[in-house]
Amino acid sequence: GDSVTQMEGPVTLSEEAFLTINCTYTATGYPSLFWYVQYPGEGLQLLLKATKADDKGSNKGFEATYRKETTSFHLEKGSVQVSDSAVYFCALDRGSTLGRLYFGRGTQLTVWP
Amino acid sequence: EPEVTQTPSHQVTQMGQEVILRCVPISNHLYFYWYRQILGQKVEFLVSFYNNEISEKSEIFDDQFSVERPDGSNFTLKIRSTKLEDSAMYFCASSGVGIRGEQYFGPGTRLTVT
Repeated sequence: GDSVTQMEGPVTLSEEAFLTINCTYTATGYPSLFWYVQYPGEGLQLLLKATKADDKGSNKGFEATYRKETTSFHLEKGSVQVSDSAVYFCALDRGSTLGRLYFGRGTQLTVWP
Repeated sequence: EPEVTQTPSHQVTQMGQEVILRCVPISNHLYFYWYRQILGQKVEFLVSFYNNEISEKSEIFDDQFSVERPDGSNFTLKIRSTKLEDSAMYFCASSGVGIRGEQYFGPGTRLTVT
């Protein structure tokens, strides 16, 4: 069935370090892919999305490219900030009209000054 | 900016009791969802709701669960007879036209069943 496998955390980085959080997926058809972020005490927020192969989603300095050949959607940021500390979730939507999201386990990122 | 709200933020209940979790989705959204996250596990889909009926439900969403949109603003999840394993964070989400996976989530209700 459809699923998302996400890099286990926690990830701890110093400010201005490079971030990669790996995400791979299994899906039939043509899924859309998402990264959601959850800041402490808040709900999940959409960070970025990509709806077809080779699309690059980007927002707030974060980027992820939809790679169909490797079934991956890795999240990257060139220079993290303390304010990026949060839990990051990779997710897919099968692209049907129904909108059910399949989530990865989430990766806790902590950035130290 | 419009947001999804959920009440209560934390609910403690005894096993076997009924609970109702409440959500107010974004006002012009048409698709509504419930997810849950047991501590340390994945966020799991429970149910989606559109045009006043369930459009999809997962294997978790058994006869103990029900959803309702009792008026034009609220969206509720009812658990009829809670079990210890229902303890989790429950998230409500909504989406508008466009990409269904682009969903707006509430802050969650932490349900603790004792």
